[in-house]
Amino acid sequence: AQTVTQSQPEMSVQEAETVTLSCTYDTSESNYYLFWYKQPPSRQMILVIRQEAYKQQNATENRFSVNFQKAAKSFSLKISDSQLGDTAMYFCAFLDSWGKLQFGAGTQVVVTP
Amino acid sequence: KAGVTQTPRYLIKTRGQQVTLSCSPISGHRSVSWYQQTPGQGLQFLFEYFSETQRNKGNFPGRFSGRQFSNSRSEMNVSTLELGDSALYLCASSLVQGGANVLTFGAGSRLTVL
Repeated sequence: AQTVTQSQPEMSVQEAETVTLSCTYDTSESNYYLFWYKQPPSRQMILVIRQEAYKQQNATENRFSVNFQKAAKSFSLKISDSQLGDTAMYFCAFLDSWGKLQFGAGTQVVVTP
Repeated sequence: KAGVTQTPRYLIKTRGQQVTLSCSPISGHRSVSWYQQTPGQGLQFLFEYFSETQRNKGNFPGRFSGRQFSNSRSEMNVSTLELGDSALYLCASSLVQGGANVLTFGAGSRLTVL
């Protein structure tokens, strides 16, 4: 069974600064997909970024980028130029071949003025 | 393009009752998954339906059931409610099952069991 570990319960960052969230996972599969989702106070789960395991190039979406280290089974998220609207719970998730998402415990990101 | 619609958004039930939650996926999406979110257990997979067939099931008791209709709309039912069933129930839809899926989530149904 896959496991996803997020070791940082909460991170605080000032506006315009950069914050990096860590995520490690465990799987025996060779081809899989990894995601970062954010859940603001509205509780709506929103996709932030996706990474295919067979792609070596790290995914980037505007101010969000990942550092994917397949051998180390590490998938960190970097938020650059943080904005107040980035305040949310961030979940790292592993998608298995059956379409089931395994989520980490989440990291609460608080952006302060 | 309408997103994933979940109804009702909030509901309160008492122990022993049953509840039915509904999920309308994005038009054209054929896969619907359900997740339970609680403070203690986090996000846990309940089940996934594709073309009216349950393809995958999480580790939940038989009191939790679901179904999918021919128009891809899905319902989940929880019978004999327990206090521990209080949670946010999230539905997600995707075009196909597995693979390069991107799951799009609804806003959730907040269930409180008294």
